Amino acid sequence: EAGVAQSPRYKIIEKRQSVAFWCNPISGHATLYWYQQILGQGPKLLIQFQNNGVVDDSQLPKDRFSAERLKGVDSTLKIQPAKLEDSAVYLCASSLVRQGSGIQYFGAGTRLSVL
Amino acid sequence: KQEVTQIPAALSVPEGENLVLNCSFTDSAIYNLQWFRQDPGKGLTSLLLIQSSQREQTSGRLNASLDKSSGRSTLYIAASQPGDSATYLCAVKLPGSSNTGKLIFGQGTTLQVKP
Repeated sequence: EAGVAQSPRYKIIEKRQSVAFWCNPISGHATLYWYQQILGQGPKLLIQFQNNGVVDDSQLPKDRFSAERLKGVDSTLKIQPAKLEDSAVYLCASSLVRQGSGIQYFGAGTRLSVL
Repeated sequence: KQEVTQIPAALSVPEGENLVLNCSFTDSAIYNLQWFRQDPGKGLTSLLLIQSSQREQTSGRLNASLDKSSGRSTLYIAASQPGDSATYLCAVKLPGSSNTGKLIFGQGTTLQVKP
């Protein structure tokens, strides 16, 4: 079974530029999550999708961050414009709705450096 | 507001030693608790999941315990090996369904096992 795929693996941009990250969840997983992990900290949930709908985006900085999940499969996370404090690893995870425990499976992440 | 703390932030032990990693949380109203492993440059891998009604879970050389009333969990690693070197994160799932409860992560404990 293929895991959660993310691209790119690394991205370096200057502040005020835009950037987009892509995630392809495990096939059949209806729930998709985007996390932000700043160096030395645990991941923080930015947004959670159930199929196409947003379940939780309470910690998403909506003035600069946006996310969408087309057709309930792939998802993109965009930052526009980027700030220095956005430097972090952005992790995507997915889980199977019918699985009682809701275990989340994580991708390798995209490491963003904002200069 | 649920907060998760892990102590120590870093730990170095000689190979073969048994060790305990600690996790504490401020609100005992949780759905479950998970321990994850994160290797450098990679995503998170779920190690053990303890439901709120359970006291412990075991997998191979790993044993995780949960004491909800005191807001504590421990991850016990027996006979540590250099391959166990990684960052270990605990996360509590807030109440809700298995797929809507948010995961709140600790900041992690970075373990180094010296040959």
